[in-house]
Amino acid sequence: EAEVAQSPRYKITEKSQAVAFWCDPISGHATLYWYRQILGQGPELLVQFQDESVVDDSQLPKDRFSAERLKGVDSTLKIQPAELGDSAMYLCASSLSRFYEQYFGPGTRLTVT
Amino acid sequence: KQEVTQIPAALSVPEGENLVLNCSFTDSAIYNLQWFRQDPGKGLTSLLLIQSSQREQTSGRLNASLDKSSGRSTLYIAASQPGDSATYLCAVLTGGGNKLTFGTGTQLKVEL
Repeated sequence: EAEVAQSPRYKITEKSQAVAFWCDPISGHATLYWYRQILGQGPELLVQFQDESVVDDSQLPKDRFSAERLKGVDSTLKIQPAELGDSAMYLCASSLSRFYEQYFGPGTRLTVT
Repeated sequence: KQEVTQIPAALSVPEGENLVLNCSFTDSAIYNLQWFRQDPGKGLTSLLLIQSSQREQTSGRLNASLDKSSGRSTLYIAASQPGDSATYLCAVLTGGGNKLTFGTGTQLKVEL
């Protein structure tokens, strides 16, 4: 069964350092999402791609966060510089298109010290 | 702004009991509603998706209903098992299909 892949699974970094997360969606899925989940809360959308184009990045802190999906397949989310408040689970999801079921990857647990 | 609420926040039941998890949302203009399961420290597993035109969906021991007009959904779990212990999240898709808004989840523990 096809799955969304993410790496790394865990990342510990010091504040002010740069971190990057990678996501490989299910093959053929045009829409890719990055979510952030703080412990005890539901995930919140950071950015949504349709193929290689950003559809919604209204909740992305653009002063420190960036995301790209250059060839419309895999995607990278970067934080520079990391802050203590960025400690969270970062989840990637994909779907055939915007209105279809979303499938999530295992997530990357980020701890900023 | 869409808001999603899940009640109860936590639930502990003995094995074999049937149970209901509740989800409510403030904006009834939704495209679909999804129920997810999340194990500690893991990603989300999709359980059921209900389109806005549907009233319910079933998968094995799970049954989800949707009343869009009242902004409510329920997830019914029959004959609960210890392996069902997890956090259950509901999420609604709104905003032109751009935004999946999640509730804070119900943490379920099924005891032997």
